[in-house]
Amino acid sequence: EVQLVESGGGLVQPGGSLRLSCAASGFTFSSYAMSWVRQAPGKGLEWVSAISGSGGSTYYADSVKGRFTISRDNSKNTLYLQMNSLRAEDTAVYYCAKVLLTTVVPYYFDYWGQGTLVTVSS
Amino acid sequence: EIVMTQSPATLSVSPGERATLSCRASQSVSSNLAWYQQKPGQAPRLLIYGASTRATGIPARFSGSGSGTEFTLTISSLQSEDFAVYYCQQYNNWPPGVFGPGTKVDIK
Repeated sequence: EVQLVESGGGLVQPGGSLRLSCAASGFTFSSYAMSWVRQAPGKGLEWVSAISGSGGSTYYADSVKGRFTISRDNSKNTLYLQMNSLRAEDTAVYYCAKVLLTTVVPYYFDYWGQGTLVTVSS
Repeated sequence: EIVMTQSPATLSVSPGERATLSCRASQSVSSNLAWYQQKPGQAPRLLIYGASTRATGIPARFSGSGSGTEFTLTISSLQSEDFAVYYCQQYNNWPPGVFGPGTKVDIK
């Protein structure tokens, strides 16, 4: 059974940093690209970042480029999102999501984690 | 960037009735369209991909149709567990995740 479990969310002040993790199980983690998708309170879904199965290719939404860094440790079956220079508008539930491909191309997300809440506020 | 729109924003339906949700793309996305269901406090769940293919474990009462710019998700006979928000997503063009604003299906 595929499982994705996020952690690392919490309350952080504007300008602060946070690192999210997503522990994966039930599939060959290194074979699949992964993404982070966020959802602001009461709002819709926004793609944030993606990484290829090998970790060699990474991509970001313009809204987070230069502030967020996606990475993965295939030996630990874990996906990460390092978030720096956080802003109030980054407040959201952050989901990790899996796709059926190794490379990062537009595709549908077949499994999602339960999400972790990040609140940016003073 | 392709813009996805969904209508209506809210659909009030009685249990057992049919629900028809619409999704429109600002330019053709071929059949590269997925539908997700999201219940309060839960993650989205994949329902449909390729515009009309049900994902694993999805009941037959959910069906998708359309291609190009116009798509429809139909729930043939609404069950209590189907009241949720439904999102469409195009995956024909970059970036990887372009979602519609969602349609909330609530109890009439």
